[in-house]
Amino acid sequence: QKEVEQNSGPLSVPEGAIASLNCTYSDRGSQSFFWYRQYSGKSPELIMFIYSNGDKEDGRFTAQLNKASQYVSLLIRDSQPSDSATYLCAVNTAYNTDKLIFGTGTRLQVFP
Amino acid sequence: ETGVTQTPRHLVMGMTNKKSLKCEQHLGHNAMYWYKQSAKKPLELMFVYNFKEQTENNSVPSRFSPECPNSSHLFLHLHTLQPEDSALYLCASSQENARTSGNYEQYFGPGTRLTVT
Repeated sequence: QKEVEQNSGPLSVPEGAIASLNCTYSDRGSQSFFWYRQYSGKSPELIMFIYSNGDKEDGRFTAQLNKASQYVSLLIRDSQPSDSATYLCAVNTAYNTDKLIFGTGTRLQVFP
Repeated sequence: ETGVTQTPRHLVMGMTNKKSLKCEQHLGHNAMYWYKQSAKKPLELMFVYNFKEQTENNSVPSRFSPECPNSSHLFLHLHTLQPEDSALYLCASSQENARTSGNYEQYFGPGTRLTVT
């Protein structure tokens, strides 16, 4: 079983819609969860982090964490073509808080 | 720009060459990381340095040799690489004492695109 799993996509949504990106993780002791956005040819850019169960909102982005079910999701409201990128989920390990385990990423395509 | 710079941005080297990748962070952080990103694979952590001390070596082959002379600079020395080592090499930094706040945010540099011929 992969430590951090994401659907590779592509996930295609029309402009203005809500994009929902999901991630599951295997280490039940993980404490911190991150969403990075990576444009083609660029390096990852942190857009959200969450470490408490529930929702965390930042502008058009909402991160949702459910530790009991071991999943974390990212919602993007009012999706724009500029949101088209690969979204990486990262989870810290329970035994080494500096170590992040990344998923393979979900490619999002927002079409006009 | 995130405050983490990497040079060179692109590198082509033969299997017998020796080269070095450089990373510098201007954020006052005290932890630095090397990652490898290959196509269709997740980011792979290679090395972690906290306060200049190596705290993680993720079973990386000895043809990759890291060096951290101070908290702002990180090098990755390369020698006798293989074609399968071709990838994007990313450097990142974070603030180690962020443990108390629960935020382990890592900032990435732009990466070095390495091609081994």
